[in-house]
Amino acid sequence: DAEITQSPRHKITETGRQVTLACHQTWNHNNMFWYRQDLGHGLRLIHYSYGVQDTNKGEVSDGYSVSRSNTEDLPLTLESAASSQTSVYFCASSESRRDEQFFGPGTRLTVL
Amino acid sequence: AQKITQTQPGMFVQEKEAVTLDCTYDTSDQSYGLFWYKQPSSGEMIFLIYQGSYDEQNATEGRYSLNFQKARKSANLVISASQLGDSAMYFCAMRERGYSSASKIIFGSGTRLSIRP
Repeated sequence: DAEITQSPRHKITETGRQVTLACHQTWNHNNMFWYRQDLGHGLRLIHYSYGVQDTNKGEVSDGYSVSRSNTEDLPLTLESAASSQTSVYFCASSESRRDEQFFGPGTRLTVL
Repeated sequence: AQKITQTQPGMFVQEKEAVTLDCTYDTSDQSYGLFWYKQPSSGEMIFLIYQGSYDEQNATEGRYSLNFQKARKSANLVISASQLGDSAMYFCAMRERGYSSASKIIFGSGTRLSIRP
């Protein structure tokens, strides 16, 4: 069955370190998204991609970057982790005309 | 700018009762889509139901229905005959049309629904 996976599921890191969160989907979807979820804010869009070599900034992109070298993967990098980036991160993909998004299981990141 | 508002941060409902979760939206687009997602305590995001702005009938999926009132810009989720397993966080979301044929989705802040036995 097609799916979308994220790794690691849990990560603890220190302020200032570079961290990369992986997202891999086997739906063959062109569209991929990264969100962060914090209490009281719902899900906020960090970056998104409409295809290979395409990346776009969302509403909370500062301190994050993504790259899209193939259809299946959209890794999210925190260049220099900050405590304010402690959050749960969700990756999602979509392809259908309705643009319904399928979500990965999430990665809980703690920055100490 | 597009915006989704969920005014009920939390709700308690007795098992087997129907429940309505409120959602209002703001957009200047004529073509848009509205979604509801469920997030149980385990954390995953589960798609429940979709309503297109040009759909004439309200969407239904099993016990879920979407009460779409376009003029009022509301898209309330109705769960009939609630069950204990319906206890979760519920997010309303709207498809925002991007510069290409694809688009991104914006989310409301969510409503936490608790079902009492």
